[in-house]
Parts: sequence; structure tokens; C-alpha cells
Amino acid sequence: GESVGLHLPTLSVQEGDNSIINCAYSNSASDYFIWYKQESGKGPQFIIDIRSNMDKRQGQRVTVLLNKTVKHLSLQIAATQPGDSAVYFCAEKNQGGKLIFGQGTELSVKP
Amino acid sequence: EAGVTQFPSHSVIEKGQTVTLRCDPISGHDNLYWYRRVMGKEIKFLLHFVKESKQDESGMPNNRFLAERTGGTYSTLKVQPAELEDSGVYFCASSFRVDEKLFFGSGTQLSVL
Repeated sequence: GESVGLHLPTLSVQEGDNSIINCAYSNSASDYFIWYKQESGKGPQFIIDIRSNMDKRQGQRVTVLLNKTVKHLSLQIAATQPGDSAVYFCAEKNQGGKLIFGQGTELSVKP
Repeated sequence: EAGVTQFPSHSVIEKGQTVTLRCDPISGHDNLYWYRRVMGKEIKFLLHFVKESKQDESGMPNNRFLAERTGGTYSTLKVQPAELEDSGVYFCASSFRVDEKLFFGSGTQLSVL
């Protein structure tokens, strides 16, 4: 079956540093990936997405990289701020619209 | 524009009792999804409505869970009878089209004691 997984359950970074959160997936036919941020007491919030015809996509302070060869994607957050503290999930969206989530990485930002 | 709203935000019940969770999607969104996160694990799909029809209910854990979306507007998810392992956060999400991004509600934290 399909699975999406994250390499680290927790990540601690210093404020101002860059953060990199990794994710691996198993289905080589997957073609659409999304990163979500979940803050305490809130639902997952869309951050950025990428389709399989791209290997990089940039947003405001965030970049998603997709390596289809090794079935790996990452989320890079530049100049990490305290407000970035949250749980980050990668997810694959299948053709039926269903999201398959990874386990999540909790990002802590130290002042 | 109002987002996806869920009620209640928290529910504490005893094993064997019944609980009903409600989700109001964004107005006009035909696609409505239920997900849950149990014990800090990954967020898992439960089911998908397109209007009032169940498009995919492959994630429903067992027949103690019943989801409805009468009239294709709001949806309810009933757990009867609740068991300890049902504890977790239940999220609802909606989208206008299947290929568009999902908007999530804040979730219902369910605790079964």
C-alpha cells in the first residue's frame, strides 16, 4: 500500500536559522504532494504544494524540493521564526482527492 | 468567508456512550472529508463525501462509525458505542473540486475514558 513518512519526529532549530524537514514516500506513481503546518488547537494549514513535473517550488520563506529518483521531498524554511513552531506534515494527494499523510515532524524554534 | 467549522471543539465521554461530531464545510464546497489523528500518529483518512454521496469510505475503522451528509451541506460523524481507542482529534476538510486544496477545520478533540 501507499505510505508517506517523515524521517524525524522532532526538530529543534535556533531562531534565524534555516530548517529542513524531510519526507519519504513509497508510491512511485504519486504525482502531487503538499506540506501542511498544524499549530496547537488548529487544523492543518496548507503551506505549499508541488507536482511531479517539478523538482522545486518556492513560496514566501519556504521551498519544497522533490526528488523522484529516491522518492523524497523536503520542506525548507528560511530564517525560521518562533511563529514557525508547529507540527509539519507532508501528504500525497491521490486522484480521488484523498490525502495520505506522513507522521509529522514537530518543529521547535529556540529564541 | 467563513472557514470549515467543527463542533464541539472538545468532547469527553465514557466508554460505551455515543458522540456526534459536526462539520460545516465552506459554503459551496461539494467535497467534504473526515480525517482523524490518534495518539500523535499520522492523520488518517476516514471518508469522502461528494455532496450527499459517500465517494470513498475505505478509511472508516468499523461499523461503530456512521457519517452522514443529508442535503449535501453539513456532515455528522457519530461514534456508537465509543471505545477507548477512538480517542483522538477528528478533522473535517472541504474543497470545491477534488483536485483543489483542502481547507481544514480546527478539529474535535475526542477523549473516551
